Amino acid sequence: EVQLVESGGGLVLPGRSLRLSCKDFGFIFGDYTISWFRQAPRKGLEWVGFIRSKAHGGTTEYAASVKGRFTISRDDSKSTAYLHLNSLQTEDTAVYYCARVVTTIVVEYYFDSWGQGTLVTVSS
Amino acid sequence: SYVLTQSPSVSVAPRQTARITCGGNNVGSKSVHWYQQKPGQAPVLVVYDDRDRPSDTPERFSGSNSGNTATLTIRRVEAGDEADYYCQVWDGSSDQVVFGGGTKLTVL
Repeated sequence: EVQLVESGGGLVLPGRSLRLSCKDFGFIFGDYTISWFRQAPRKGLEWVGFIRSKAHGGTTEYAASVKGRFTISRDDSKSTAYLHLNSLQTEDTAVYYCARVVTTIVVEYYFDSWGQGTLVTVSS
Repeated sequence: SYVLTQSPSVSVAPRQTARITCGGNNVGSKSVHWYQQKPGQAPVLVVYDDRDRPSDTPERFSGSNSGNTATLTIRRVEAGDEADYYCQVWDGSSDQVVFGGGTKLTVL
């Protein structure tokens, strides 16, 4: 059974940084692209970015709204992906989710297994 | 950037059919995926590649996609189907994942 678990959320001051983790407990982590999302209180889903598997180059893509401020990395030896949140603003307050990415034969992407999320609150 | 438009809410009586639409410019040329999210829970994939279902999605759920509209159809709606539903595509021209704004399904 696929199981992804996020951690690292909490209360953080504006302007500070935070690192979130997404650990796999149920599949061959290194074979998959991993994506991050967020959902602000009472708002819809927002894609943050993803990191491809090493077999697909290990490259990253980011949403325009976070590019340059958030960074995704992975450590396949630890079956863990990371989301580095920098220069946090109150608008970054959200539940952050990670998910396993399915890459289709025509190189499109969807997300078949999600973690339960970790809450990041940016406030002074 | 590419935009997907969903109606904010849909209401349906139990055992009736709910149709949740997702509009986008020539969305029929893209693969559309649908997620269900119940309050306080993570999203769950219910339909992928326009019309395919993960093994644990009930057959009551089906999808279609043509022209400028993709549709998620839920037949014989149950109280447990009450949730927010999001459509999603990959926009290859901008290398961005795009979600619709979500539709809240209320079972009367």
